[in-house]
Amino acid sequence: GNSVTQMEGPVTLSEEAFLTINCTYTATGYPSLFWYVQYPGEGLQLLLKATKADDKGSNKGFEATYRKETTSFHLEKGSVQVSDSAVYFCALGNTGFQKLVFGTGTRLLVSP
Amino acid sequence: DARVTQTPRDKVTEMGQEVTMRCQPILGHNTVFWYRQTMMQGLELLAYFRNRAPLDDSGMPKDRFSAEMPDATLATLKIQPSEPRDSAVYFCASGLAGSSGNTIYFGEGSWLTVV
Repeated sequence: GNSVTQMEGPVTLSEEAFLTINCTYTATGYPSLFWYVQYPGEGLQLLLKATKADDKGSNKGFEATYRKETTSFHLEKGSVQVSDSAVYFCALGNTGFQKLVFGTGTRLLVSP
Repeated sequence: DARVTQTPRDKVTEMGQEVTMRCQPILGHNTVFWYRQTMMQGLELLAYFRNRAPLDDSGMPKDRFSAEMPDATLATLKIQPSEPRDSAVYFCASGLAGSSGNTIYFGEGSWLTVV
């Protein structure tokens, strides 16, 4: 079945450090891939997405590239801020718009 | 901005009481999801609807949970009777099948505590 695996957290960084959160997936067909972010006490917000292989999603300085050959969709940001502290979820949506499958989430803590 | 609206935002109730959570999906969206989030289990899909018809409710405990869409602007999730293990954040999300990328949008959640 479809599944998403994310790196364990928490990821602890200093402000302006480089961020990578790993995400790999298993899927049939040609899924779309997503990163959602959840700030404390809030719901999930779509951060970025990619719908086909080699697509790069980007938003707010975050980027992720859909790599079919490595079945990965790693999230990166060149310089994190304290305000980026949140939980990040990688998700997969299969063709036909069935339910999204989420990873377990990775907590990011950024200190000044 | 269009958004998914959920009520109540917070609910504390006693074990055995009925709890109803409501969701207004984004206007025009034809697919509605109910997710539950806990520390132990993470995000779990409880049920989802397409054009108001239930497509999958396999994630939902059938003996006490029920989900319905009385009309296109309202989805409900009911727990009767509630138990302490139901304490969680319940998220509603909506999307438009056939749109680019199958994006779904989440509400802010209903934070349920059963004591």
